[in-house]
Amino acid sequence: NAGVMQNPRHLVRRRGQEARLRCSPMKGHSHVYWYRQLPEEGLKFMVYLQKENIIDESGMPKERFSAEFPKEGPSILRIQQVVRGDSAAYFCASSPVGGSGANVLTFGAGSRLTVL
Amino acid sequence: QQQVKQSPQSLIVQKGGISIINCAYENTAFDYFPWYQQFPGKGPALLIAIRPDVSEKKEGRFTISFNKSAKQFSLHIMDSQPGDSATYFCAARNGAGNNRKLIWGLGTSLAVNP
Repeated sequence: NAGVMQNPRHLVRRRGQEARLRCSPMKGHSHVYWYRQLPEEGLKFMVYLQKENIIDESGMPKERFSAEFPKEGPSILRIQQVVRGDSAAYFCASSPVGGSGANVLTFGAGSRLTVL
Repeated sequence: QQQVKQSPQSLIVQKGGISIINCAYENTAFDYFPWYQQFPGKGPALLIAIRPDVSEKKEGRFTISFNKSAKQFSLHIMDSQPGDSATYFCAARNGAGNNRKLIWGLGTSLAVNP
């Protein structure tokens, strides 16, 4: 079991470009969460998705940010027209549907976005 | 509005000492309280978790103490080691409804001096 896989691990974009971050959850997990972390700060919740559904996007900026978790393939966090303030580490976590592990989030190693 | 308040922001402990990190919450609907450990450059990993029907849970050198009436819970690391140096996050989950989103504290940076 490869765990939660995020790619790319590092991404550099110029202002105005688009950033796409991918997350493949653990095998058997159908819940995905995206978080943003700035240096020396905590985890900021962005969005919670199940397959083909957004459950909670209360932490996602209304503009430029979107997320999806299609029936097939990884979850994608998309940031359009990036600005310097988008520079951060973006973490994905997954959890199973039910059972004793339903509350446990397994995190990926993160994608570090740098906007020049 | 910070629903889970964590303190201290940073902590320095000597090797062999006890590290104590505290969290407080307001929402009595919270029913699950995990602690996560994060090393630099890595994602957080679950360390230990507790439900409000018990007052203490111990796993090795790590203990959660839970005070339901005070709405507080704390992480104790006994015999702290330099390898424990990391950032620790407390969190809480609202048991009502279908949303399993965790509410996170802002983290505590722990440094254990050799």
